[in-house]
Amino acid sequence: EDQVTQSPEALRLQEGESSSLNCSYTVSGLRGLFWYRQDPGKGPEFLFTLYSAGEEKEKERLKATLTKKESFLHITAPKPEDSATYLCAVQANNNDMRFGAGTRLTVKP
Amino acid sequence: NAGVMQNPRHLVRRRGQEARLRCSPMKGHSHVYWYRQLPEEGLKFMVYLQKENIIDESGMPKERFSAEFPKEGPSILRIQQVVRGDSAAYFCASSPRAEGNTIYFGEGSWLTVV
Repeated sequence: EDQVTQSPEALRLQEGESSSLNCSYTVSGLRGLFWYRQDPGKGPEFLFTLYSAGEEKEKERLKATLTKKESFLHITAPKPEDSATYLCAVQANNNDMRFGAGTRLTVKP
Repeated sequence: NAGVMQNPRHLVRRRGQEARLRCSPMKGHSHVYWYRQLPEEGLKFMVYLQKENIIDESGMPKERFSAEFPKEGPSILRIQQVVRGDSAAYFCASSPRAEGNTIYFGEGSWLTVV
């Protein structure tokens, strides 16, 4: 069965303290790996899509990378407004999307 | 999140009543996904639909829950005879096609069963 595991469950950083979030997956035939950000009381907001191992994408302080077994979301010099839950999802051969439980990031000023 | 419209945003139902949640996908999108999220938990896949077809309903409870996406009009998630355990946020997402395509979420419908 397809599985998506995110770690850590929660991460507390000081403003400016860079770190990485992990998303490990087992899936039959990866069609795409997706990162979303979710704020409390809101729907997930799309960040990145990665399709093949070795691919990287960047947006402001965020950078997503992909290998054959996992993806990392690197956060460089985070700010308090980066505080949110970050969700990883994979799309497999059957085209439906499976989400991990998320990493709850708190950035303290 | 722009474009995927869900309503109602908040719904309160008494135990035993029916809840109907509606989702209008983004313009040009013919694929709809429904997810449930309990407090402090991740998104749980429920059902994936294309126009007039249920593609994958492996995440739907076998009883009381149903979904449709008619040729015209919004997708509907229907929960009959609601129980307290149905209280959750229900998110709809849409995409223009299936393979490797980003799905975009609505703001969710919060169901509270009292």
